[in-house]
Amino acid sequence: SQQGEEDPQALSIQEGENATMNCSYKTSINNLQWYRQNSGRGLVHLILIRSNEREKHSGRLRVTLDTSKKSSSLLITASRAADTASYFCATDQAGTALIFGKGTTLSVSS
Amino acid sequence: ETGVTQTPRHLVMGMTNKKSLKCEQHLGHNAMYWYKQSAKKPLELMFVYNFKEQTENNSVPSRFSPECPNSSHLFLHLHTLQPEDSALYLCASSQDPGQDYGELFFGEGSRLTVL
Repeated sequence: SQQGEEDPQALSIQEGENATMNCSYKTSINNLQWYRQNSGRGLVHLILIRSNEREKHSGRLRVTLDTSKKSSSLLITASRAADTASYFCATDQAGTALIFGKGTTLSVSS
Repeated sequence: ETGVTQTPRHLVMGMTNKKSLKCEQHLGHNAMYWYKQSAKKPLELMFVYNFKEQTENNSVPSRFSPECPNSSHLFLHLHTLQPEDSALYLCASSQDPGQDYGELFFGEGSRLTVL
């Protein structure tokens, strides 16, 4: 069953701009993770945020988690053309392996 | 190179064929997964193995048959598939999930086309 739902489905920006993607989920979670997928390739883990954390940073990535609203956001600052990819959130709910959303397709043009 | 290798990368098969997808991980992980990625759909969890034992089967049709002979290898045996089974099949591995599921390491996927 689908747990995470990303918004927007697609996002087009210019290099240097910030990109924000949102993820909403339905049930309580242990952690929430963000992954990136280049076209036709496997997924690559970006960042994991636990349910007792509110914000986490990794390089140009900033993730927030609001468990009261059951939502998370991924911010990519100073986007580059190489950031063009699909981004997925995945939730770890008790008793099952990671459930992924449909993803946000990000296009960064130079 | 993620440490998870999937073969073949591309496979075309007829509905009456029998084929297998192979996944091998070199990361010393204990858990392995199969996910299916179809166009315009979320990744669907298919099977989970932990220490070679199947711990999750997400109501997958019996025409998909997983096999996990050891913690480093995972197979997906395919038989009598349907065209709607055409998808990218992704294998992943992780440390023993324990209390919660941490980072998954994915292979590059096997693109399956069923004619």
